[in-house]
This record gives sequence, structure tokens and C-alpha cells, in this order.
Amino acid sequence: GAGVSQSPSNKVTEKGKDVELRCDPISGHTALYWYRQSLGQGLEFLIYFQGNSAPDKSGLPSDRFSAERTGGSVSTLTIQRTQQEDSAVYLCASSFGASLNEQYFGPGTRLTVT
Amino acid sequence: AQKVTQAQTEISVVEKEDVTLDCVYETRDTTYYLFWYKQPPSGELVFLIRRNSFDEQNEISGRYSWNFQKSTSSFNFTITASQVVDSAVYFCALSEVDSWGKLQFGAGTQVVVTP
Repeated sequence: GAGVSQSPSNKVTEKGKDVELRCDPISGHTALYWYRQSLGQGLEFLIYFQGNSAPDKSGLPSDRFSAERTGGSVSTLTIQRTQQEDSAVYLCASSFGASLNEQYFGPGTRLTVT
Repeated sequence: AQKVTQAQTEISVVEKEDVTLDCVYETRDTTYYLFWYKQPPSGELVFLIRRNSFDEQNEISGRYSWNFQKSTSSFNFTITASQVVDSAVYFCALSEVDSWGKLQFGAGTQVVVTP
């Protein structure tokens, strides 16, 4: 079956622009997660959605970052007024049922802010 | 503070050698989960194992084995008879009771297996 998909795979943007990153989770998975992977910071949790519960936003690094999940499926991570330190690979994952189940990761979106 | 420590940045071995990856974690919770993920050169993280804090039995899956010791807060991973396809970055992660969905990753260990 189809895995987690993310688009675009690569994004180059100018400093100050807004970007939207998309994640399509595995069909039927109720939990969805965003992580960021960068050389300096490693793998960092950003946000997670579980069913209809309020998302856990505790990992979002600033108010320039936001995410939404429409219809319990597709999610969009938005970064406003991008900065060079936002350059990283943004990874999305999903899991079935309880969030303790293994998370299946997508291929990531490589964001480069110039 | 870093809750998961993978002290080994890179390990290089020759094919067929065994390699052990160390993972030390820190938590005040009595209930927690530990994970290992593999990130091959293609980039996608691949789940390997999940272990809860109440199950200290060691586990073996093919050439992979895991040694969980609560007394030393360690969850080490051994690849037996390594193969070139094992070359990847391996991450250990912790999930705590107050934020189940949040995986806290270690810095990762790069394993390089040469023929």
C-alpha cells in the first residue's frame, strides 16, 4: 500500500517568504506528526495530531510555524517569513490508532532558505 | 536537556563483524517507551523496534538484537554479522507518558559497513 507522501520533495525559497509543506498520511492512520531534521539540531519534534484532539504544538520553534490537518487526513505545515535557520528536512509521519504505535515516516521535504 | 544520548557518532566495521550501538536515556517516568529507527541513505526513517519500560526481556529479530537494562537506563542495539545494506544512521528515541506522540531522538549513530 501507499506510504506517507510529502510534497514538494525540495523547496528553495527566499528569506522572508512563506512556504507550505504538505503531508499525506497512510490511509486510516489517525495520528500525524511533523519533525524537523537539521545538521545542527538533529531530529526535532514539531507537532502532532491525534484524531479530533487538540494538537500537541509544544515543539513548534516560533509563532512563524503553524500546522493544520484537514478532515483528519492531509496536513499542511506553514512557515511564515522564512529565515535561513529554517533550512532543514521536514519529516512527516503517521501512525494507526494510539500514538504509541510505530510511526511511519515519509521521505521528507528539503527546505532551503536563501 | 538531551534525554537520549547516543555517544557514538560513527562506527565503521568490515562486513560480517558485529556492531553494537549504545543508547542511554533519561526520564523520571516509570512508564515510557523506547524505539530504534534506521535511516538509510535514501532518507526515510524505518521503524525497527518499540519496547515499553515494563518489558526488560531482550529481543532478537534476525541479525538484530536489543538489550534493555533499566538499571543503567540503556537500550543498546546489536547488529550481528553486519552487511553493507546495514550502512545507515540509527536513531534511538524515547516517548514519555505526558506526551506519548512525541518521539525524542538521540543524535544518531552512523554505521558504515565496508565489504
